[in-house]
Amino acid sequence: QVQLVQSGAEVKNPGASVKVSCKASGYTFISYYMHWVRQAPGQGLEWMGIINPSGGSTNYAQKFRGRVTVTRDTSTSTVYMELSRLTSDDTAVYYCARELVVVAVNRPFDYWGQGTLVTVSS
Amino acid sequence: DIVMTQSPDSLAVSLGERATINCKSSQSVLDSSNSKNFLAWHQQKPGQPPKLLIYWASTRESGVPDRFSGSGSGTDFTLTISSLQAEDVAVYFCQQYFTTPRTFGQGTKVEIK
Repeated sequence: QVQLVQSGAEVKNPGASVKVSCKASGYTFISYYMHWVRQAPGQGLEWMGIINPSGGSTNYAQKFRGRVTVTRDTSTSTVYMELSRLTSDDTAVYYCARELVVVAVNRPFDYWGQGTLVTVSS
Repeated sequence: DIVMTQSPDSLAVSLGERATINCKSSQSVLDSSNSKNFLAWHQQKPGQPPKLLIYWASTRESGVPDRFSGSGSGTDFTLTISSLQAEDVAVYFCQQYFTTPRTFGQGTKVEIK
């Protein structure tokens, strides 16, 4: 069965970086884009970026450009999201979510990871 | 960016009654070349990740009960729960996947009256 298993909760100091992983199983890794979405406490969902696991190309939300880096390791079917220069506003649950690759046709997110809580506090 | 606006922010419905959630996009998410609306609905129960319920505005994901239905086109969409069950207590989000950045509504919390 499809699984997106994320790394565990993190506590970081302001100014630090965090790297969250999302390990995929149960499907062909390169056949699905992977997105990152975050949810601050009691808030809605905010899209951060996308990676094409096949070639590694990425696209990021304007808000996070220069601060976020999404990478993948095809040998372990794992996607990583690194966010730098953390502030208290980055305290949130971070989710990975997959999207079927169909040329020139966007598709919905059909599976989500369980989420990773990142707390930024001194 | 396409702004998604849901209404209401919350609603309380009696068990077995109908729940209706609206979602409006700031620009059309209808692709006229294939007549598809790039609009999805996700359900998020407390402490859980979101779960896809409906895509293409009206297509139920596999395994989703048929009491959930989606309708609408262009900029105005509706999610209807025809007969609310206790397990439907959750926050519901609409999302457009017409373009990047993908954007979400602010969420509608559904509770039991």
